[in-house]
Amino acid sequence: EDKVVQSPLSLVVHEGDTVTLNCSYEVTNFRSLLWYKQEKKAPTFLFMLTSSGIEKKSGRLSSILDKKELFSILNITATQTGDSAIYLCAASPHSGYALNFGKGTSLLVTP
Amino acid sequence: DTAVSQTPKYLVTQMGNDKSIKCEQNLGHDTMYWYKQDSKKFLKIMFSYNNKELIINETVPNRFSPKSPDKAHLNLHINSLELGDSAVYFCASGESGTGGLGTFGSGTRLTVV
Repeated sequence: EDKVVQSPLSLVVHEGDTVTLNCSYEVTNFRSLLWYKQEKKAPTFLFMLTSSGIEKKSGRLSSILDKKELFSILNITATQTGDSAIYLCAASPHSGYALNFGKGTSLLVTP
Repeated sequence: DTAVSQTPKYLVTQMGNDKSIKCEQNLGHDTMYWYKQDSKKFLKIMFSYNNKELIINETVPNRFSPKSPDKAHLNLHINSLELGDSAVYFCASGESGTGGLGTFGSGTRLTVV
């Protein structure tokens, strides 16, 4: 059975800290790994990773995929209170079927 | 213009009732999805549908049925609602062949009392 496991499940840090969120996956016929940020409403897209070792970056956020070890990390540097959210990792198979989500990491950034 | 819109945003109903949630996307995507997010924030796929194929997650009770009048709409019908159906339901759309990348609606919070 396909599965996506995220760790830690929750995290509390101070503003300015750097955090690393982990995502491991076991997906038949894997195609891509996606990261989403969910605040109060809908998940919003952050990154999609399909190739190993190529870092994707957006401001203070970056992510990388390791297809050999079947995991991805999401880094957030110089965290701000606005980064507080649930970060969701999802894996997508080649079949085009929908995303298989992990249970999320709940991040709280305190002032 | 909202890309993926769901109605209603909130729905409170009694056990045993039948209800529908509507979803529309104006992105021209060929695939639409329904996800359920439980109280622990776990997002789980319920259905994936494009004009060729409906894929149903086998764990979804058959009280849930998707109905698609056209490519831009995928409604969710729920019969004989149960307490355990209380959750936030998200509609999403995407283009097949893009590796699952999708745009989510803002969700419908269903409370069954």
